[in-house]
Amino acid sequence: QKEVEQNSGPLSVPEGAIASLNCTYSDRGSQSFFWYRQYSGKSPELIMSIYSNGDKEDGRFTAQLNKASQYVSLLIRDSQPSDSATYLCAVTLGGADGLTFGKGTHLIIQP
Amino acid sequence: GAVVSQHPSRVICKSGTSVKIECRSLDFQATTMFWYRQFPKQSLMLMATSNEGSKATYEQGVEKDKFLINHASLTLSTLTVTSAHPEDSSFYICSASEGQTNEQFFGPGTRLTVL
Repeated sequence: QKEVEQNSGPLSVPEGAIASLNCTYSDRGSQSFFWYRQYSGKSPELIMSIYSNGDKEDGRFTAQLNKASQYVSLLIRDSQPSDSATYLCAVTLGGADGLTFGKGTHLIIQP
Repeated sequence: GAVVSQHPSRVICKSGTSVKIECRSLDFQATTMFWYRQFPKQSLMLMATSNEGSKATYEQGVEKDKFLINHASLTLSTLTVTSAHPEDSSFYICSASEGQTNEQFFGPGTRLTVL
């Protein structure tokens, strides 16, 4: 059974600091990894995708993947109050496979 | 790019009636669309995978006769909740994949309330 684990939080980070979000997954066959942001009552919005080991940077966001440890992380630099949301980690085997989501981490950026 | 629309955004219906939800990819062709359900305070759970021109693949525990999926074209998939009951009340969200990157883009969701 595919499982994705995240700390539900809340994770409270002061404005301007780095927020670090973590995720582990159970299926070693997972090929594609995603971070989504979800505001209350809204659908998820894709933030980052990562497919190979190492770091991937996009603006203030950096995704890190370690397949050997089955670990994915998301760093948010210069955190803003508007970054306050629930961050969902999702993995897939690839191809036409659906996403398996973690329960999400609730992030609060304190002004 | 990669815009997915969903209609209606909100629906309230009586127990025993059927509700149809439409999902459209507006600026790309989606050979595969997905339907998810999200209950309050929980994460998204995959219900089914919909492929254009073929029968949908349902996840374990999801009744295919209750949740009818039709993927008639490369830009439209529909989910019909038949004989809805209060326990079907949930946030239903579709997504579409562009294919090359496996990235899935989500529609805005449909909040279903069954009285």
